[in-house]
Amino acid sequence: GAGVSQTPSNKVTEKGKYVELRCDPISGHTALYWYRQSLGQGPEFLIYFQGTGAADDSGLPNDRFFAVRPEGSVSTLKIQRTERGDSAVYLCASGPLRAADTQYFGPGTRLTVL
Amino acid sequence: AQSVSQHNHHVILSEAASLELGCNYSYGGTVNLFWYVQYPGQHLQLLLKYFSGDPLVKGIKGFEAEFIKSKFSFNLRKPSVQWSDTAEYFCAVRGYGGSQGNLIFGKGTKLSVKP
Repeated sequence: GAGVSQTPSNKVTEKGKYVELRCDPISGHTALYWYRQSLGQGPEFLIYFQGTGAADDSGLPNDRFFAVRPEGSVSTLKIQRTERGDSAVYLCASGPLRAADTQYFGPGTRLTVL
Repeated sequence: AQSVSQHNHHVILSEAASLELGCNYSYGGTVNLFWYVQYPGQHLQLLLKYFSGDPLVKGIKGFEAEFIKSKFSFNLRKPSVQWSDTAEYFCAVRGYGGSQGNLIFGKGTKLSVKP
């Protein structure tokens, strides 16, 4: 079946601009995660959704970052007033049902803030 | 706070050599442990996982890992590597008690296999 998809694959923006990154999870997966991977690092957790609600947003670095999942499927990560330090690959993962299940990762969106 | 340490940043091997990548974690409670692999130009894929039971876990492509609770380790092994194993390998842990399922990743180990 289809895996996790993310759009766009690449996004270049200027400092101060607003960006939206989209994640389409595997059909039927209720758990959805966002991670951020900087160069030379492993993925770092940002936020976790169970259904429509954010069950854990403790990884969001500050209030410029926000994510939604209004219908319990597609999720959008929103970054306001982007900074150069936000440049990274943003990864989305989904899981079948519970927090304890295996996570399946998408290809990521490479964000570059000039 | 939970953390994962991968000892090797870059490992270079010749084909048919044996592989062992180290992974240690810090968390005192029940854990789930994972190894993910990222081949060049591809996304993260699950290699193997440990939830409970037999501490020796076998994954895809001939990889295995051993959970040693007393050492807080989950090292990845393969008896004979192939050129196609060239990739970056990430160890990850999920603990219980506060977090709701997010994974904590190590920094990754880049494996280069020379033909």
